Amino acid sequence: RKEVEQDPGPFNVPEGATVAFNCTYSNSASQSFFWYRQDCRKEPKLLMSVYSSGNEDGRFTAQLNRASQYISLLIRDSKLSDSATYLCVVSHGSSNTGKLIFGQGTTLQVKP
Amino acid sequence: GAGVSQSPRYKVAKRGQDVALRCDPISGHVSLFWYQQALGQGPEFLTYFQNEAQLDKSGLPSDRFFAERPEGSVSTLKIQRTQQEDSAVYLCASSSDRGLQPQHFGDGTRLSIL
Repeated sequence: RKEVEQDPGPFNVPEGATVAFNCTYSNSASQSFFWYRQDCRKEPKLLMSVYSSGNEDGRFTAQLNRASQYISLLIRDSKLSDSATYLCVVSHGSSNTGKLIFGQGTTLQVKP
Repeated sequence: GAGVSQSPRYKVAKRGQDVALRCDPISGHVSLFWYQQALGQGPEFLTYFQNEAQLDKSGLPSDRFFAERPEGSVSTLKIQRTQQEDSAVYLCASSSDRGLQPQHFGDGTRLSIL
């Protein structure tokens, strides 16, 4: 079983839709949480960090539930340019090297 | 400013050959990471350097994989006696401090073993 689990999708949604991605992680030592975006044949890029209180960046909202070891990403008013793979990522505590542990990724396709 | 630069972008090799992949991190970044990304999967950690010291190599899949960063800047990932399962995208990332995010990724080297 992978340490970070995501539904690979694909999620096919129309423009303007709201879509939510979920992810679970198994290591309770995880301290830092992120969503990365990866376009086809490109490198991963940080979309946003995820905080326990929840955080929002424009149309994107991320939430973390430490008790359930569950992370979510909500995208409102989807744009064609949101089409990409969204990677759920965790990092362990301060004793760790800071390496990132990625989920498989969830593919989003926004259609006109 | 320049980001993380990796070369070559594409590498095709025959099974059994040795390959060397280069990573040029962002200037001044002390932390450097190598990841392997198989098709349809997320990146998986291979190894980590803090300056020239290789502090974590727990993700290297076998002793055929070797990484170095002799002067604390450019890093090379070497794979000896390549096998078909080594085919993947190899991503390099750097950050200014291991505890500070984000890690900035290069475009990767797409390695195909025939």
